[in-house]
Amino acid sequence: GESVGLHLPTLSVQEGDNSIINCAYSNSASDYFIWYKQESGKGPQFIIDIRSNMDKRQGQRVTVLLNKTVKHLSLQIAATQPGDSAVYFCAESPGTYKYIFGTGTRLKVLA
Amino acid sequence: DAGVIQSPRHEVTEMGQEVTLRCKPISGHDYLFWYRQTMMRGLELLIYFNNNVPIDDSGMPEDRFSAKMPNASFSTLKIQPSEPRDSAVYFCASSQRVESGNTIYFGEGSWLTVV
Repeated sequence: GESVGLHLPTLSVQEGDNSIINCAYSNSASDYFIWYKQESGKGPQFIIDIRSNMDKRQGQRVTVLLNKTVKHLSLQIAATQPGDSAVYFCAESPGTYKYIFGTGTRLKVLA
Repeated sequence: DAGVIQSPRHEVTEMGQEVTLRCKPISGHDYLFWYRQTMMRGLELLIYFNNNVPIDDSGMPEDRFSAKMPNASFSTLKIQPSEPRDSAVYFCASSQRVESGNTIYFGEGSWLTVV
């Protein structure tokens, strides 16, 4: 969960396909996780969250999977749309206010 | 519902000038955060308040930065004097309760350029 560098990894998907964005979190004590979407020129927007006592949670067109064994989080977006194009990043909370933000992945939706 | 409101959205200022960024948190939220986002370092927590009281300012880069929260609906982040390396997007965020499981909601950011 270190801060972003100069280049964000990019995921390009065809419109209508499913997208899977991955995040490796850093602190095994983290017990709450959030996925944010950040569009160009805007602030991070809450998408979905999950607590550590769960391994899967579904929202509208989005699903978050949590694998505590390998400290891995993923965000699945079904039927990806052009409006889903943005930077997505995960945040983990080790039980405190100091959320640790991931590096971010840029999702590009191809028409 | 009104989210976190920040102003100005964009500011360009000359090195050495004072910059004041403003924030109105979501009504009823008792925690307020100031973050800075850059390409190199991503999102960094600068300071946070609980019930208008600064709790942790360990992320504030140096004495040129200061933040206040005079009441539950208003906070400022001030940079004096500003330097080109302060150029970044500054986000204000608020939360209803800061324990594991409580979401932080962000404003749209103040885009600062110091020339």
